[in-house]
Amino acid sequence: ILNVEQSPQSLHVQEGDSTNFTCSFPSSNFYALHWYRWETAKSPEALFVMTLNGDEKKKGRISATLNTKEGYSYLYIKGSQPEDSATYLCAFRGSQGNLIFGKGTKLSVKP
Amino acid sequence: DTGVSQNPRHKITKRGQNVTFRCDPISEHNRLYWYRQTLGQGPEFLTYFQNEAQLEKSRLLSDRFSAERPKGSFSTLEIQRTEQGDSAMYLCASSLDPVYEQYFGPGTRLTVT
Repeated sequence: ILNVEQSPQSLHVQEGDSTNFTCSFPSSNFYALHWYRWETAKSPEALFVMTLNGDEKKKGRISATLNTKEGYSYLYIKGSQPEDSATYLCAFRGSQGNLIFGKGTKLSVKP
Repeated sequence: DTGVSQNPRHKITKRGQNVTFRCDPISEHNRLYWYRQTLGQGPEFLTYFQNEAQLEKSRLLSDRFSAERPKGSFSTLEIQRTEQGDSAMYLCASSLDPVYEQYFGPGTRLTVT
């Protein structure tokens, strides 16, 4: 059974703080690792699709790294803003293209 | 809006009733996926279509669940004889190809009373 773990489960930070989350996944039969941002009452928003070991991707203040050999990915948010408050999900892509999600990290940013 | 749409957004039903949800993917996307999210969990894969063909079903998809994508465009997910355990957020996603990112709809929240 493929298991994707995310930590921490929740995080409360002050505006301006930088923060990071961890996603661990099986290191064998790796196809891709996806990061999503999900705000309440909205659709999950795709942030990154990462495929290569050592990959590092950036979108504005958000960046992610990938280590497929040890089976982990980090998501970093620099200078958190209240609008960053959301649940951040990572997902391991299976051989059929289906995504296997972690439980997510719920981020709350206080002004 | 050219994103993935789902209807209805919310559905409250009594135990034992049948419900049907609809998903309209991004046009030209060949792949369509259904996921379910229950409280405290991440989304869990249910089934997927490549055009009109349903290619895989999760063990979560009991025989009370059926999904169709008759013309390779929109899809429906039907739950027969609903149970309280079916209460969840049902998410639909589409992608151009299995290697590309999946775009999600806003989900249908089902509450079975």
